[in-house]
Amino acid sequence: GNSVTQMEGPVTLSEEAFLTINCTYTATGYPSLFWYVQYPGEGLQLLLKATKADDKGSNKGFEATYRKETTSFHLEKGSVQVSDSAVYFCALSETGGYQKVTFGTGTKLQVIP
Amino acid sequence: NAGVMQNPRHLVRRRGQEARLRCSPMKGHSHVYWYRQLPEEGLKFMVYLQKENIIDESGMPKERFSAEFPKEGPSILRIQQVVRGDSAAYFCASSPPTGGSAFFGQGTRLTVV
Repeated sequence: GNSVTQMEGPVTLSEEAFLTINCTYTATGYPSLFWYVQYPGEGLQLLLKATKADDKGSNKGFEATYRKETTSFHLEKGSVQVSDSAVYFCALSETGGYQKVTFGTGTKLQVIP
Repeated sequence: NAGVMQNPRHLVRRRGQEARLRCSPMKGHSHVYWYRQLPEEGLKFMVYLQKENIIDESGMPKERFSAEFPKEGPSILRIQQVVRGDSAAYFCASSPPTGGSAFFGQGTRLTVV
Protein backbone atom coordinates (compact mmCIF):
# COMPACT_ATOMS: atom_id res chain seq x y z
CA GLY A 1 0.00 0.00 0.00
CA ASN A 2 0.88 3.66 -0.12
CA SER A 3 2.85 5.32 2.64
CA VAL A 4 4.56 8.59 3.39
CA THR A 5 7.50 9.05 5.74
CA GLN A 6 8.61 12.47 6.87
CA MET A 7 11.19 13.66 9.32
CA GLU A 8 10.12 13.85 12.90
CA GLY A 9 9.87 17.14 14.64
CA PRO A 10 9.73 19.43 16.24
CA VAL A 11 12.07 21.51 14.16
CA THR A 12 13.15 24.77 15.76
CA LEU A 13 14.79 27.42 13.61
CA SER A 14 15.73 31.03 13.99
CA GLU A 15 14.06 33.57 11.75
CA GLU A 16 15.69 33.79 8.28
CA ALA A 17 17.22 30.33 8.57
CA PHE A 18 17.02 27.78 5.77
CA LEU A 19 14.38 25.09 6.10
CA THR A 20 14.36 21.53 4.84
CA ILE A 21 11.74 18.98 5.81
CA ASN A 22 12.43 15.57 4.31
CA CYS A 23 9.69 13.43 2.84
CA THR A 24 9.87 10.07 1.08
CA TYR A 25 7.04 7.97 -0.21
CA THR A 26 6.06 4.49 -1.30
CA ALA A 27 3.35 4.13 -3.90
CA THR A 28 2.21 2.04 -6.81
CA GLY A 29 2.10 3.89 -10.08
CA TYR A 30 2.73 7.59 -10.32
CA PRO A 31 1.11 9.50 -7.47
CA SER A 32 0.54 13.19 -7.09
CA LEU A 33 2.48 14.69 -4.18
CA PHE A 34 1.42 17.43 -1.81
CA TRP A 35 2.52 19.51 1.12
CA TYR A 36 -0.22 20.69 3.45
CA VAL A 37 0.18 23.17 6.30
CA GLN A 38 -1.83 23.31 9.49
CA TYR A 39 -1.57 26.48 11.57
CA PRO A 40 -2.41 26.23 15.29
CA GLY A 41 -6.10 25.57 15.80
CA GLU A 42 -6.82 25.61 12.09
CA GLY A 43 -7.60 23.12 9.36
CA LEU A 44 -5.40 21.96 6.54
CA GLN A 45 -4.35 24.22 3.74
CA LEU A 46 -2.80 23.00 0.54
CA LEU A 47 0.65 24.59 0.36
CA LEU A 48 1.94 23.17 -2.91
CA LYS A 49 1.71 20.14 -5.14
CA ALA A 50 3.42 18.32 -7.99
CA THR A 51 1.76 15.83 -10.28
CA LYS A 52 4.63 14.25 -12.21
CA ALA A 53 8.33 13.52 -11.97
CA ASP A 54 10.66 16.55 -11.94
CA ASP A 55 7.76 18.94 -11.37
CA LYS A 56 8.51 21.66 -8.84
CA GLY A 57 5.68 22.94 -6.70
CA SER A 58 6.10 26.36 -5.13
CA ASN A 59 4.08 28.77 -3.02
CA LYS A 60 4.80 31.52 -0.47
CA GLY A 61 8.55 30.96 -0.81
CA PHE A 62 8.27 27.22 -0.20
CA GLU A 63 9.20 24.73 -2.87
CA ALA A 64 9.47 20.98 -3.37
CA THR A 65 10.59 18.91 -6.33
CA TYR A 66 9.07 15.54 -7.28
CA ARG A 67 12.04 13.16 -7.42
CA LYS A 68 10.94 9.82 -8.79
CA GLU A 69 14.41 8.27 -8.66
CA THR A 70 14.68 8.84 -4.92
CA THR A 71 10.90 8.75 -4.24
CA SER A 72 11.24 12.03 -2.39
CA PHE A 73 9.46 15.37 -2.13
CA HIS A 74 11.47 17.43 0.32
CA LEU A 75 10.09 20.81 1.37
CA GLU A 76 12.46 23.79 1.37
CA LYS A 77 12.36 27.48 2.12
CA GLY A 78 15.30 29.81 1.93
CA SER A 79 14.37 32.15 4.78
CA VAL A 80 11.70 31.22 7.31
CA GLN A 81 9.57 33.69 9.24
CA VAL A 82 7.88 33.43 12.61
CA SER A 83 4.57 33.24 10.76
CA ASP A 84 5.69 29.97 9.16
CA SER A 85 5.39 28.20 12.52
CA ALA A 86 2.93 25.38 11.89
CA VAL A 87 2.70 21.64 11.29
CA TYR A 88 3.62 20.52 7.78
CA PHE A 89 2.23 17.34 6.26
CA CYS A 90 3.61 15.55 3.24
CA ALA A 91 0.98 13.57 1.36
CA LEU A 92 0.22 11.67 -1.82
CA SER A 93 -2.74 10.54 -3.84
CA GLU A 94 -2.89 8.17 -6.76
CA THR A 95 -3.19 10.00 -10.07
CA GLY A 96 -6.24 9.15 -12.10
CA GLY A 97 -8.13 7.80 -9.18
CA TYR A 98 -10.14 9.60 -6.60
CA GLN A 99 -8.45 11.90 -4.16
CA LYS A 100 -7.88 9.48 -1.30
CA VAL A 101 -4.91 11.11 0.33
CA THR A 102 -2.25 9.31 2.35
CA PHE A 103 -0.57 11.59 4.87
CA GLY A 104 2.70 11.55 6.70
CA THR A 105 2.63 12.07 10.45
CA GLY A 106 3.47 15.75 10.21
CA THR A 107 6.48 17.85 11.19
CA LYS A 108 6.04 20.68 13.63
CA LEU A 109 8.05 23.77 12.77
CA GLN A 110 8.73 26.47 15.31
CA VAL A 111 10.47 29.63 14.16
CA ILE A 112 11.84 31.87 16.87
CA PRO A 113 12.68 35.57 16.45
CA ASN B 1 -17.16 30.51 -3.70
CA ALA B 2 -17.18 29.33 -0.12
CA GLY B 3 -14.77 26.62 0.85
CA VAL B 4 -15.58 23.32 2.48
CA MET B 5 -17.78 24.10 5.46
CA GLN B 6 -17.82 21.93 8.53
CA ASN B 7 -19.94 22.32 11.61
CA PRO B 8 -19.78 22.45 14.43
CA ARG B 9 -16.16 23.51 14.86
CA HIS B 10 -16.11 22.11 18.38
CA LEU B 11 -18.33 19.39 19.81
CA VAL B 12 -18.37 18.03 23.33
CA ARG B 13 -20.19 14.79 24.06
CA ARG B 14 -20.47 12.58 27.13
CA ARG B 15 -19.57 8.92 26.82
CA GLY B 16 -22.45 6.97 25.30
CA GLN B 17 -23.97 9.92 23.43
CA GLU B 18 -24.14 10.33 19.67
CA ALA B 19 -22.03 12.76 17.68
CA ARG B 20 -23.12 14.15 14.31
CA LEU B 21 -20.58 16.01 12.21
CA ARG B 22 -21.64 17.90 9.10
CA CYS B 23 -19.76 18.77 5.96
CA SER B 24 -20.91 20.91 3.05
CA PRO B 25 -18.57 20.48 0.07
CA MET B 26 -17.41 23.27 -2.17
CA LYS B 27 -19.81 24.29 -4.89
CA GLY B 28 -19.54 21.94 -7.84
CA HIS B 29 -17.82 19.22 -5.81
CA SER B 30 -19.61 15.90 -5.67
CA HIS B 31 -16.93 13.85 -3.91
CA VAL B 32 -16.55 13.97 -0.16
CA TYR B 33 -13.89 12.41 2.07
CA TRP B 34 -13.67 12.13 5.84
CA TYR B 35 -10.38 11.94 7.73
CA ARG B 36 -9.59 11.60 11.41
CA GLN B 37 -6.64 13.19 13.16
CA LEU B 38 -5.82 11.77 16.55
CA PRO B 39 -3.76 13.94 18.91
CA GLU B 40 -0.15 14.27 17.76
CA GLU B 41 -0.79 12.15 14.68
CA GLY B 42 -1.33 12.64 10.98
CA LEU B 43 -4.64 12.36 9.22
CA LYS B 44 -6.07 8.94 8.49
CA PHE B 45 -8.54 8.29 5.71
CA MET B 46 -11.94 7.07 6.87
CA VAL B 47 -14.44 7.11 4.02
CA TYR B 48 -15.05 8.39 0.51
CA LEU B 49 -18.56 9.19 -0.69
CA GLN B 50 -20.30 10.45 -3.76
CA LYS B 51 -23.90 11.59 -3.77
CA GLU B 52 -25.98 8.79 -2.21
CA ASN B 53 -23.13 6.28 -2.49
CA ILE B 54 -20.33 5.08 -0.26
CA ILE B 55 -17.39 4.33 -2.56
CA ASP B 56 -14.64 3.40 -0.12
CA GLU B 57 -15.10 2.91 3.62
CA SER B 58 -11.92 0.97 4.22
CA GLY B 59 -10.81 3.36 6.98
CA MET B 60 -14.04 3.38 8.95
CA PRO B 61 -14.26 1.49 12.23
CA LYS B 62 -16.65 -1.41 11.79
CA GLU B 63 -18.89 -0.45 14.65
CA ARG B 64 -20.55 2.77 15.80
CA PHE B 65 -19.37 4.85 12.82
CA SER B 66 -21.43 5.62 9.74
CA ALA B 67 -21.39 8.21 6.97
CA GLU B 68 -23.83 9.43 4.39
CA PHE B 69 -23.98 11.99 1.60
CA PRO B 70 -27.62 12.41 0.63
CA LYS B 71 -28.89 13.79 -2.63
CA GLU B 72 -29.74 17.03 -0.85
CA GLY B 73 -27.88 18.50 2.09
CA PRO B 74 -24.51 18.03 3.70
CA SER B 75 -22.53 14.88 4.29
CA ILE B 76 -22.93 13.52 7.81
CA LEU B 77 -20.44 11.52 9.84
CA ARG B 78 -22.25 9.85 12.69
CA ILE B 79 -20.62 8.29 15.73
CA GLN B 80 -22.91 6.36 18.06
CA GLN B 81 -22.19 5.67 21.71
CA VAL B 82 -19.02 7.73 21.73
CA VAL B 83 -16.03 6.70 23.84
CA ARG B 84 -13.02 8.73 25.00
CA GLY B 85 -10.91 7.25 22.23
CA ASP B 86 -13.15 8.95 19.65
CA SER B 87 -11.82 12.34 20.76
CA ALA B 88 -10.06 13.71 17.70
CA ALA B 89 -10.27 16.27 14.94
CA TYR B 90 -12.43 15.12 12.04
CA PHE B 91 -11.72 16.71 8.70
CA CYS B 92 -13.85 16.68 5.61
CA ALA B 93 -12.50 17.25 2.11
CA SER B 94 -14.21 17.60 -1.24
CA SER B 95 -13.11 17.36 -4.84
CA PRO B 96 -14.77 17.87 -8.21
CA PRO B 97 -16.01 14.95 -10.30
CA THR B 98 -13.26 15.66 -12.83
CA GLY B 99 -10.62 14.50 -10.38
CA GLY B 100 -9.00 17.74 -9.26
CA SER B 101 -7.30 18.34 -5.93
CA ALA B 102 -9.18 17.86 -2.70
CA PHE B 103 -9.86 20.89 -0.51
CA PHE B 104 -10.17 20.51 3.24
CA GLY B 105 -12.51 22.07 5.73
CA GLN B 106 -11.38 23.49 9.06
CA GLY B 107 -12.38 20.37 10.91
CA THR B 108 -14.61 19.48 13.83
CA ARG B 109 -12.86 18.88 17.11
CA LEU B 110 -14.74 16.25 19.06
CA THR B 111 -14.09 15.92 22.77
CA VAL B 112 -15.65 13.04 24.66
CA VAL B 113 -15.88 13.58 28.41
